[in-house]
Amino acid sequence: GQQLNQSPQSMFIQEGEDVSMNCTSSSIFNTWLWYKQDPGEGPVLLIALYKAGELTSNGRLTAQFGITRKDSFLNISASIPSDVGIYFCAGRYTGANSKLTFGKGITLSVRP
Amino acid sequence: NAGVTQTPKFQVLKTGQSMTLQCAQDMNHEYMSWYRQDPGMGLRLIHYSVGAGITDQGEVPNGYNVSRSTTEDFPLRLLSAAPSQTSVYFCASTSGQKNSPLHFGNGTRLTVT
Repeated sequence: GQQLNQSPQSMFIQEGEDVSMNCTSSSIFNTWLWYKQDPGEGPVLLIALYKAGELTSNGRLTAQFGITRKDSFLNISASIPSDVGIYFCAGRYTGANSKLTFGKGITLSVRP
Repeated sequence: NAGVTQTPKFQVLKTGQSMTLQCAQDMNHEYMSWYRQDPGMGLRLIHYSVGAGITDQGEVPNGYNVSRSTTEDFPLRLLSAAPSQTSVYFCASTSGQKNSPLHFGNGTRLTVT
């Protein structure tokens, strides 16, 4: 089946630093999504990407849909303590009703 | 709109007990799904539904049943709980339209002793 690879499992950065997270797949997708999960809550959508090569920003977040359609990255600039959480990438190949495949997530810690 | 509402937030069961995790959405979404989240495993799809009366299995369906009698509700049933079902369960929904993202509830933390 389709698999999404996110690594490392945990990242530790200093407040104010930028951080980049990668997500790679063995299969192509036509939608890439990035979610963030705060402790005790459900994942919340950060950025959605629908076209190969697309670069989209949401405040301090920037994400790109890889040209090969097998990868995506998420950048967080000037990190702040509330960026702490688990970041999941997710991919979907066909229509909106097709199943999403999730990566295992990266736990981000931000040291003040 | 309340979005996706899950109840209960926490639950402790003994092995062999049964229970139903409730999920309701008020966004008139056709597509609903259940995931479980375990450390180091990410989110794994248990069951999903593309509309009332239609359900299908996901990646890890064993030990769980679902039904979809209305558009709004998608309960997840554990008929005979096992310790391996200790997990955090998330319900999610989407409209099914192109480019519609998945909206998650806040989860149910289940412990089976």
